[in-house]
Amino acid sequence: DAKTTQPTSMDCAEGRAANLPCNHSTISGNEYVYWYRQIHSQGPQYIIHGLKNNETNEMASLIITEDRKSSTLILPHATLRDTAVYYCIVLMNSGGYQKVTFGIGTKLQVIP
Amino acid sequence: NAGVTQTPKFQVLKTGQSMTLQCAQDMNHNSMYWYRQDPGMGLRLIYYSASEGTTDKGEVPNGYNVSRLNKREFSLRLESAAPSQTSVYFCASSEWGYSNQPQHFGDGTRLSIL
Repeated sequence: DAKTTQPTSMDCAEGRAANLPCNHSTISGNEYVYWYRQIHSQGPQYIIHGLKNNETNEMASLIITEDRKSSTLILPHATLRDTAVYYCIVLMNSGGYQKVTFGIGTKLQVIP
Repeated sequence: NAGVTQTPKFQVLKTGQSMTLQCAQDMNHNSMYWYRQDPGMGLRLIYYSASEGTTDKGEVPNGYNVSRLNKREFSLRLESAAPSQTSVYFCASSEWGYSNQPQHFGDGTRLSIL
């Protein structure tokens, strides 16, 4: 399984862009990079995913390096409600099911 | 658009009691999952169901049983609760076998075993 490495915590000023890095140097060619977040006492919330190309949706942008060994989740205008733990995971199929391994993630604190 | 609904949200049990956690999804997904999350740890897979009529063990299945009642519902049962099963339990669903389809999670059941 490809493992991911994220900083334990980060701060971001409200209204500024939050850039959350993730290393996944052992990712294989058919594995997707996914980002989830977990706001205190809620279930993990899907944010975005990608394979090779950069992706954007209404929540965030995902930048994947050309060698696919790292990625960055960008929240363009962070708000206080974006304070959460953000998980970068590599999603693979294992014996027919999606083997999702959540690590410790990055605790993002958005500061007023 | 409820997504994944879990009941109950909170529960306190005594050691040895039994209980069933309920999960239902309205996204017509084939696959459903049960995870537990303990403080300072990531989610660990307990059981999963690839499709209606099938269930399989995940990483930490001991002490649990599951039932895939129909395509919508997937329940988790603790036959004889133990304090080590105190945790937050999450149910999730997704399309089967496609790594480009995300899992969607419920808001969890917080279970305390005394």
